[in-house]
Amino acid sequence: DQQVKQNSPSLSVQEGRISILNCDYTNSMFDYFLWYKKYPAEGPTFLISISSIKDKNEDGRFTVFLNKSAKHLSLHIVPSQPGDSAVYFCAASVRGNNRLAFGKGNQVVVIP
Amino acid sequence: NAGVTQTPKFRVLKTGQSMTLLCAQDMNHEYMYWYRQDPGMGLRLIHYSVGEGTTAKGEVPDGYNVSRLKKQNFLLGLESAAPSQTSVYFCASSYAIQQATDTQYFGPGTRLTVL
Repeated sequence: DQQVKQNSPSLSVQEGRISILNCDYTNSMFDYFLWYKKYPAEGPTFLISISSIKDKNEDGRFTVFLNKSAKHLSLHIVPSQPGDSAVYFCAASVRGNNRLAFGKGNQVVVIP
Repeated sequence: NAGVTQTPKFRVLKTGQSMTLLCAQDMNHEYMYWYRQDPGMGLRLIHYSVGEGTTAKGEVPDGYNVSRLKKQNFLLGLESAAPSQTSVYFCASSYAIQQATDTQYFGPGTRLTVL
């Protein structure tokens, strides 16, 4: 049973435009959410996170928005750069149990 | 500071053979994890450890065993490999609960093919 869902497996966007990745979750106990970025033949690397006490967290070009009532979060990348071409995983946890539930990932291609 | 390292990077096995994947971390993390990644399936937790000498089952533990004899190392064993275990295996580590972060740091992965 997939507790974290990422639909629209791939996204193509022009350089300089906004990339928006969406993630839905089913477990209402989740209170900490993360995005990981993965290049081919490398391990996932942590990108940005958000606690359930917030509805927005920003780090440079990356912003994560959380809508708890809809059990939905999104990652915005502005402006998109060719180096952002990667697979992005959404993950969620119940804070403190150190186990992450991952989505299936979204492939992002930024076209120069 | 190498972070999380995995050995080997690639391996091809025949059905029924055994092997051990080694994960090492130099960040003094308490928690360590083994995941597998299959096409269209995301990352699925196999086993994890909350400290030296402890292990626990994750989402897909069947066919695998693990050991955490030293804090910095976490071994994943396949006693009798099957083609269904063809996958990319990732090790990860994180701080303990008391440090109030669930961020996990991943190794580069081991690509395993079972023929």
